[in-house]
Formats: sequence, structure tokens, C-alpha cells
Amino acid sequence: QVQLVQSGAEVKKPGASVKVACKASGYTFTNYGILWVRQAPGQGPEWMGWISAGNGNTKYSQRFQDRVTITRDTSASTAYMELSSLRSEDTAVYYCARDFFCGGACYYFDSWGQGTLVSVSS
Amino acid sequence: DIQMTQSPSSLSASVGDRVTITCRASQNINTYLNWYHQKPGKAPKVLIYATSSLQSGVPSRFSGSGSGTDFTLTISSLQPEDFATYYCQQSYSTPYTFGPGTTVDIK
Repeated sequence: QVQLVQSGAEVKKPGASVKVACKASGYTFTNYGILWVRQAPGQGPEWMGWISAGNGNTKYSQRFQDRVTITRDTSASTAYMELSSLRSEDTAVYYCARDFFCGGACYYFDSWGQGTLVSVSS
Repeated sequence: DIQMTQSPSSLSASVGDRVTITCRASQNINTYLNWYHQKPGKAPKVLIYATSSLQSGVPSRFSGSGSGTDFTLTISSLQPEDFATYYCQQSYSTPYTFGPGTTVDIK
């Protein structure tokens, strides 16, 4: 079955960077995109960006454009999200999810990782 | 960015009740609207995609409708496992924005 397993919780100081891993199994990694979503306490999910696992193309939300980098390692079936210049407002649970294309502009997120808590505090 | 709003922000209901949640987009998104629910400490799970298509394995008591800017999610007979927070999400254009959520709790 499709499974996305994320790396463990992180505690960082303001100004630092964090890199979260998302290892995929149960499907052909390069046939789908992987996206990253974060969710601050008590808030709705927020889409950060996406990578085509096949060709490595990326799209980012303007809100994170200068601070987020999404990469993938096809040999390890793993996607990564790195967020730099961390501030306290970046404290959130970060999820990866598989991007399912259903035609036209129809995309939905059909499998999710378990989430990674990133805490930013001095 | 396309802004998504939901109403109500929360509701209390009983097992067996019919529940309707509304989602509105700040511009026309055709039918590129998905619904998820999320339980505390868990990742969101897709229920409905492309406005009205039921994701495999999701019970038929869930249904969706709408087009353009106005959409609804209906639960025909609320079950104990349906108490959760519900989010709409548009895939018309990136960034793929989510609504703020509707929490359904037990009356």
C-alpha cells in the first residue's frame, strides 16, 4: 500500500534551517508529484510547494518562495523540504502528501505522511 | 492567491443528523474543489475530489455539489467517526489554498 514516512520532530533556533524528509513506498515514486503542506496550531493547512518526482520541476508558494527548497532523490524514493531563516511563526506540523492528477486542473492529495513537528524557539 | 472561506466555522450535531458545510472561493474555480476531514493529531484525509467524486473507500453518506464559487459538502446521516474538522481546498491554481475549516462536534 502507498505509504509516506517522514523524518522526526525538530527543534530549531530562530535563523536556522530545517530539512524534513519524506520516504515513499508502495508505488512508483517517479510517476507522481509530492507536495508539502504545513499546519500551524489551530489553523488550516497551508500549501507550501510541490515537486515532480519524475523530472524534478518545482512550484512554490510566493509566501515561502525565498526560503523553501524542495528536492527529491529518486534512488531513495525520498522527497525533502528545506526551510531557511526560521522564525517562531514557522512552528507547525509539516506534512508531505502525494499529488494525484484526476484530469484538467483536478489534483488532490490522496496519501499523506504522518507529519513532522518543527518547533522554533530561542 | 484564491481565498477560500467556509461556513459555519463550527457546528454541533447528533448521530443521524444531516449536516451541510459550505465553501466559497474568491474567484471562479470551475469544479476544482476537494474536501478533506482531519481528526486531532492525524493528517487530513480526502473525502471528495472534483466537487462531487467520492474517493475510493469513503462512505456514500458523503456527497458534494457546486461549481464556480459556491460548494457544499453534505453528510446525509452523521456517524460517530465523522466528528472531525472539514476543509475544502481548490486545485484551480497554485498555491492550492485550503479553507479555514469547519469543526463538527457532538451535541
